[in-house]
Amino acid sequence: QVQLVQSGAEVKKPGSSVKVSCKASGYTFSNYAIRWVRQAPGQGLEWMGGIIPLFGTTNYAEKFQGRVTITADRSTSTVYMELSSLRSQDTAVFYCVRDLDYIDTSGSRYYGMDVWGQGTTVTVFS
Amino acid sequence: QTVVTQEPSLTVSPGGTVTLTCASSTGEVTSGYYPNWFQQKPGQAPRALIYSTSNKHSWTPARFSGSLLGGKAALTLSDVQPEDEAEYYCLLYYGAVGVFGTGTKVTVL
Repeated sequence: QVQLVQSGAEVKKPGSSVKVSCKASGYTFSNYAIRWVRQAPGQGLEWMGGIIPLFGTTNYAEKFQGRVTITADRSTSTVYMELSSLRSQDTAVFYCVRDLDYIDTSGSRYYGMDVWGQGTTVTVFS
Repeated sequence: QTVVTQEPSLTVSPGGTVTLTCASSTGEVTSGYYPNWFQQKPGQAPRALIYSTSNKHSWTPARFSGSLLGGKAALTLSDVQPEDEAEYYCLLYYGAVGVFGTGTKVTVL
């Protein structure tokens, strides 16, 4: 079955960087984009950006532009999200999510997200 | 900055029906925003329910349905069960960028 398994919890100091991994299995890795979503404690979901592994193309939400880098390793079916210049407000759970994107026989496009990783808690404090 | 707004909270009785909405600060929500809906229970990762306005995933219970209603995206829960108590988030796409809604806490009482 389709699975996204994320790396374990991290504790970081302000100003440092964190790199979270997301290992995919159960499907053809290159064919589906992976997105990252942030959720601060007690708060809602924030769409951060993502990557299409087949092409290596990325896009990021404006809020995270310049501070987040998403990469993919097709040899290990793993996507990485690195967030730099960490501050206490970055304390959150980070999720990777698989994109669903297809066109049916009538030419209609269907788009969204389906399978979620279990989440990785990143705590930033001095 | 684009804002996607949902009702903060709704209460429904078991067996009842409730409709959640998802509005865009840019105006009318259409199918071109590919509305998605997610359910999140405390301490768990979100779970996808609906994509592209009204399409269900293989695991989505039949009592959940998505639509467009009065210029907004909508999620209707019919024959509500106690296990449907959760936070619900919509997601709209503005080109290649997604924006989540503010979330709706659904209480089953």
